[in-house]
Amino acid sequence: GAVVSQHPSWVICKSGTSVKIECRSLDFQATTMFWYRQFPKQSLMLMATSNEGSKATYEQGVEKDKFLINHASLTLSTLTVTSAHPEDSSFYICSALHGGAETQYFGPGTRLLVL
Amino acid sequence: GDSVTQMEGPVTLSEEAFLTINCTYTATGYPSLFWYVQYPGEGLQLLLKATKADDKGSNKGFEATYRKETTSFHLEKGSVQVSDSAVYFCALSASQGGSEKLVFGKGMKLTVNP
Repeated sequence: GAVVSQHPSWVICKSGTSVKIECRSLDFQATTMFWYRQFPKQSLMLMATSNEGSKATYEQGVEKDKFLINHASLTLSTLTVTSAHPEDSSFYICSALHGGAETQYFGPGTRLLVL
Repeated sequence: GDSVTQMEGPVTLSEEAFLTINCTYTATGYPSLFWYVQYPGEGLQLLLKATKADDKGSNKGFEATYRKETTSFHLEKGSVQVSDSAVYFCALSASQGGSEKLVFGKGMKLTVNP
């Protein structure tokens, strides 16, 4: 089946630093990838839709200058949390859209802890 | 806007027990409905889906029927196994296949004991 990986699986950083999270579709090409955020005991909330070769579309309330998304190839999208603060600590999950199957395949998530 | 409400749990069952996880939705138009499952340490996996009213999705012994009149998509399994221990998410999408953004419920953690 279609596999999506995320790297790193967890990261701890100091407040004020930037953190980059990678999302890769390993065995299919994805023109569209999605970035979600999940708080403890909460639902997944869509942050942005990432389209290969164009700017990401951010959901209302998500700061695009805070969460930089780059989708430079058909198999890789990156999310950079800039100048991270403790309130950015969360579980970040990506998904990649398999166009043929019209199905989103999810990565295992990245847990970010900002100290 | 669109929203999904589901049982939150956590729920603990004995093996071979019957499982129902309630899910209701609010949406404009005619959304597609999904159940995703997240096993420990893994990403979300599509369990089943239904794209129109009265459709029944089924997979691995799980079933859910798209009920437009009650705006529901309850998940059922007649006899759960230990391997079904996971977090279950109900979700909807404005598109037929989920190519548009998914709106998720909060998820329900299920533990099945032998």
